[in-house]
Amino acid sequence: EDQVTQSPEALRLQEGESSSLNCSYTVSGLRGLFWYRQDPGKGPEFLFTLYSAGEEKEKERLKATLTKKESFLHITAPKPEDSATYLCAVQGSYDKVIFGPGTSLSVIP
Amino acid sequence: KAGVTQTPRYLIKTRGQQVTLSCSPISGHRSVSWYQQTPGQGLQFLFEYFSETQRNKGNFPGRFSGRQFSNSRSEMNVSTLELGDSALYLCASSPGTPVDTQYFGPGTRLTVL
Repeated sequence: EDQVTQSPEALRLQEGESSSLNCSYTVSGLRGLFWYRQDPGKGPEFLFTLYSAGEEKEKERLKATLTKKESFLHITAPKPEDSATYLCAVQGSYDKVIFGPGTSLSVIP
Repeated sequence: KAGVTQTPRYLIKTRGQQVTLSCSPISGHRSVSWYQQTPGQGLQFLFEYFSETQRNKGNFPGRFSGRQFSNSRSEMNVSTLELGDSALYLCASSPGTPVDTQYFGPGTRLTVL
């Protein structure tokens, strides 16, 4: 059965303190891995799609990487406005998109 | 391009009633997926429609149903509402290609009293 886990559940960082969020997955025939950020009461906002192991994508202070079993979202020198819940999702050969539980990130000024 | 729109944004219903939520996808997108989000269960997949046909379905009871129109707009219906149906209902649209990056709407907050 396709499954996605994320760690840590919650992360508290000082402004400027870099860190990484983990997404571990089990899926039949990975077609794509997605990262989203979600602010309270709003819909998830798309960040990245990764398609194959070894792929990396960057956007401002965020960098996503992918291996055969997990993905990392690296946050460099975060700012308070990066505070949000970060969601990871995978799409396998059965086409359904399965979401992980998310990591709640708080960046303290 | 306009994003995904959902109406209404907020809804309060009582147990036993039924509700219909609406979603307009991004122009040109042919796939619409629906999710239920609650604090305890996270984002759970309800169903996906592509070209007016249900392409995938999650593990929800038959009280939850949906449809898609020829202009790709979609509706979902929940009948005989229960307290546990209180949640944020999210709609996501995608082009419908094999690897689908989904773009989400703002959601409809449903409260069942």
